[in-house]
Amino acid sequence: DVKVTQSSRYLVKRTGEKVFLECVQDMDHENMFWYRQDPGLGLRLIYFSYDVKMKEKGDIPEGYSVSREKKERFSLILESASTNQTSMYLCASSSDTGGQGGYFGPGTRLTVT
Amino acid sequence: RKEVEQDPGPFNVPEGATVAFNCTYSNSASQSFFWYRQDCRKEPKLLMSVYSSGNEDGRFTAQLNRASQYISLLIRDSKLSDSATYLCVVNSWNDKIIFGKGTRLHILP
Repeated sequence: DVKVTQSSRYLVKRTGEKVFLECVQDMDHENMFWYRQDPGLGLRLIYFSYDVKMKEKGDIPEGYSVSREKKERFSLILESASTNQTSMYLCASSSDTGGQGGYFGPGTRLTVT
Repeated sequence: RKEVEQDPGPFNVPEGATVAFNCTYSNSASQSFFWYRQDCRKEPKLLMSVYSSGNEDGRFTAQLNRASQYISLLIRDSKLSDSATYLCVVNSWNDKIIFGKGTRLHILP
C-alpha cells in the first residue's frame, strides 16, 4: 500500500524556534512537495523537489527552506518560526510519469505561539 | 488568471440529486488532470483521474475540455457520504502538481 508519512500529527512551537517537519515516502517517487493549507486559502505550494538534492520554490517559499538528501525523505525547515506559520502542513509525492497524481501524507498541524 | 480555479461553494444539494462542478486551468500545456476528495481534517485523496475521452467510475463522471481548458466532475444520485471538499488537480509538463482551492459540497438529508 502506498505510503507517505509525516513525523508528527500535531506540533506546538514557540516563536523564533527552528522547526523541522519530516516527510518520508516508500514508493520510490521522484517528486516530493510541501504544501500548507489554511481556511479560505486552499493548498499553497511551498517547495518541491524533482530529485535528490534538487529543490524548487513554490508559491510561498518565504520563511521556509527544504532539504532532500535521500530520495525518500523531504524535510521542511522553518528557520525561525512565526505565528503566521501556524497552519496544516501537507507533504505529497508523485512519480515522474505524472499519470497517478500525487499521494499525500496525513498532515502536520503546527501551532506557533 | 490563476493557474487552477474552482468555485469554492458551498454547494448544498439534496440527497439523491445530481451535482456538477467545473475547474478551469490556465496552462494549455498541462498534461494530466485529477479530482481529489478531502474530508474534514484529513489529507486529500485521489478520487479519479480525468482522461481526454472522459471517464466514469460508478456515480462519478469526469470530463476534460482542452479547447476551453476546464475539467468537470459530475456526481449522480448523491449520498450523504459524498459531502467533502473536491479539489481539482493539474499536473503540468514539469510534473509540478497544482491544486485548486477546492469546492465544498454538502449533501443534505
